[in-house]
Amino acid sequence: GNSVTQMEGPVTLSEEAFLTINCTYTATGYPSLFWYVQYPGEGLQLLLKATKADDKGSNKGFEATYRKETTSFHLEKGSVQVSDSAVYFCALSGNTPLVFGKGTRLSVIA
Amino acid sequence: GAGVSQSPSNKVTEKGKDVELRCDPISGHTALYWYRQSLGQGLEFLIYFQGNSAPDKSGLPSDRFSAERTGGSVSTLTIQRTQQEDSAVYLCASSTRQGASGNTIYFGEGSWLTVV
Repeated sequence: GNSVTQMEGPVTLSEEAFLTINCTYTATGYPSLFWYVQYPGEGLQLLLKATKADDKGSNKGFEATYRKETTSFHLEKGSVQVSDSAVYFCALSGNTPLVFGKGTRLSVIA
Repeated sequence: GAGVSQSPSNKVTEKGKDVELRCDPISGHTALYWYRQSLGQGLEFLIYFQGNSAPDKSGLPSDRFSAERTGGSVSTLTIQRTQQEDSAVYLCASSTRQGASGNTIYFGEGSWLTVV
């Protein structure tokens, strides 16, 4: 079945550091890929998405590229801010409801 | 409303009691989902409804869990004879149609259930 594996946290970075959160997937067919973010005390929000191979999703300085050859959708940001502290979830969707990774907690310190 | 609305936001119940959690999806969304988020765990799919089709109940952890969706809109998740391991945040989500390419699913803020 479909599954998502993302790097375990927590990840602690200094402000303006480079961020990578790895995500790989297993799926049949051609799923869409998503990154959701959960800020402290808030609900899950869509951060970005990509619907086909080589697509790049981007939002708020975050980017992720749908790599079919490596079955990956790594999240990157060039310069993180304290306000980026949150839990990040990688997810995929095909003909089944969204399947999520376990989440990666990011803490950014000033 | 503008987003997915869930109630109650917090519920504390005694072990063995039944609880009902309500979800009001975004108007016009035909797909509705329930997920569970336990402390330190990811999001676990429970059940989803698509229009008038039979729901996909494949994620329900036991027969103590059930859900219904009345009139294709509001949904209620019921947990009977609650156990301490049922303590979690129960998230409801909705979308325009399951399976559509790149279909975005919108989440409510969740109902935090504590079983004591």
